[in-house]
Amino acid sequence: QVQLVESGGGVVQPGGSLRLSCAASGFTFSAFGMHWVRQAPGKGLEWVTFIPVDGSEKYYVESVKGRFTISRDNSRTTLYLQMNSLRPEDTAAYYCAKDTHEGRLFDLWGQGILVTVSS
Amino acid sequence: EIVMTQSPATLSVSPGERATLSCRASQRVNSNFAWYQQKPGQAPRLLIHSASTRATGVPARFSGSGSGTEFTLTISSLQSEDFAVYYCQQYNDWPLTFGPGTKVDIK
Repeated sequence: QVQLVESGGGVVQPGGSLRLSCAASGFTFSAFGMHWVRQAPGKGLEWVTFIPVDGSEKYYVESVKGRFTISRDNSRTTLYLQMNSLRPEDTAAYYCAKDTHEGRLFDLWGQGILVTVSS
Repeated sequence: EIVMTQSPATLSVSPGERATLSCRASQRVNSNFAWYQQKPGQAPRLLIHSASTRATGVPARFSGSGSGTEFTLTISSLQSEDFAVYYCQQYNDWPLTFGPGTKVDIK
């Protein structure tokens, strides 16, 4: 079954850290770039970060640069998002999403995992 | 950063009617443009890419048009399952950006 399953969300205090995981199955994970996209409660979609197949040139939205790190383990078909120095404005559902052959758009999404940053 | 704007914010349509949604980019994005559908409690779903190409499994009542900075999503005859929020996205340049969404609800 082709799917992405996120885990690792929860409640964290401001300034804290959290690592999200996204387990991929049903497709050749190592052949596609991967993204994280987030959605604050009741708000729209915001792209967060991208990693190519070889993990080389990564991209981040300005608001998370220096705080978030995307990585992948192709042998485990798993995508990660290390989130440090978390802020209340990082509160959102985080989706992992698969890139397409065309590139830079999202044709498979996980169910989303909620991250709440609150004291 | 390329800013995407969508209009209207909310569109009230009766089942069977036609719906036309608009999106504008602050800079030219060529045809590097997509539409997504999101229903409550669900992840988004890719509908249209390359401005006018339907994604796999998307019904023919969905069509996309436009290039440059102005884009349109048309739903020719709204079905009950089409009531949702629709987002546009440009993928011409980093950072990738979405519009704020258009909610299509039942009139």
